[in-house]
Amino acid sequence: GAGVSQSPSNKVTEKGKDVELRCDPISGHTALYWYRQSLGQGLEFLIYFQGNSAPDKSGLPSDRFSAERTGGSVSTLTIQRTQQEDSAVYLCASSHRTSWTDTQYFGPGTRLTVL
Amino acid sequence: LAKTTQPISMDSYEGQEVNITCSHNNIATNDYITWYQQFPSQGPRFIIQGYKTKVTNEVASLFIPADRKSSTLSLPRVSLSDTAVYYCLVGDLGTSGTYKYIFGTGTRLKVLA
Repeated sequence: GAGVSQSPSNKVTEKGKDVELRCDPISGHTALYWYRQSLGQGLEFLIYFQGNSAPDKSGLPSDRFSAERTGGSVSTLTIQRTQQEDSAVYLCASSHRTSWTDTQYFGPGTRLTVL
Repeated sequence: LAKTTQPISMDSYEGQEVNITCSHNNIATNDYITWYQQFPSQGPRFIIQGYKTKVTNEVASLFIPADRKSSTLSLPRVSLSDTAVYYCLVGDLGTSGTYKYIFGTGTRLKVLA
């Protein structure tokens, strides 16, 4: 079946502009996760959604970052007033989350470049 | 937040067994340990998952001691195509009672001919 998809695959923006990154999880998966991977760095957890529950936003790096998930499916990560340090690959993952064995399946990521 | 550490890099030759260890001192009681493989410009790909003792699938084995404060990914007979970065992933049930997912620092494996 179809995997996790993300759009756009690449985004170049100017400092100070807002950007929206989209994630379409695997159909039927109730949990959705966002991570950030800066150049040459590891994976930094940002936020996760479980069903329709309110997410814990404490992992978001600043109040310029926000995320929402509509109808328990598609999610959008929004970065306002982008800064150069926001340049990174933003990865989305989804999982069944019906038990503790929630294997996360990752999308290909969106590469964000802030000039 | 918990710290999850791995060796930065490892070199191996084709056909050898490779063992990569991840330290996760603050793993949550109910959480599983998952290992992922990542190639350049791709998202991480699931390799194996376990809770305790030993798990084996068609590509790897995972060894977890009784205290679960570490885990070891074992790749038998590696090939050039196994050159990638390997990450462990565990959950951290923080003081707020919500989950944060902590990836290890990543181990860059280079397989030599």
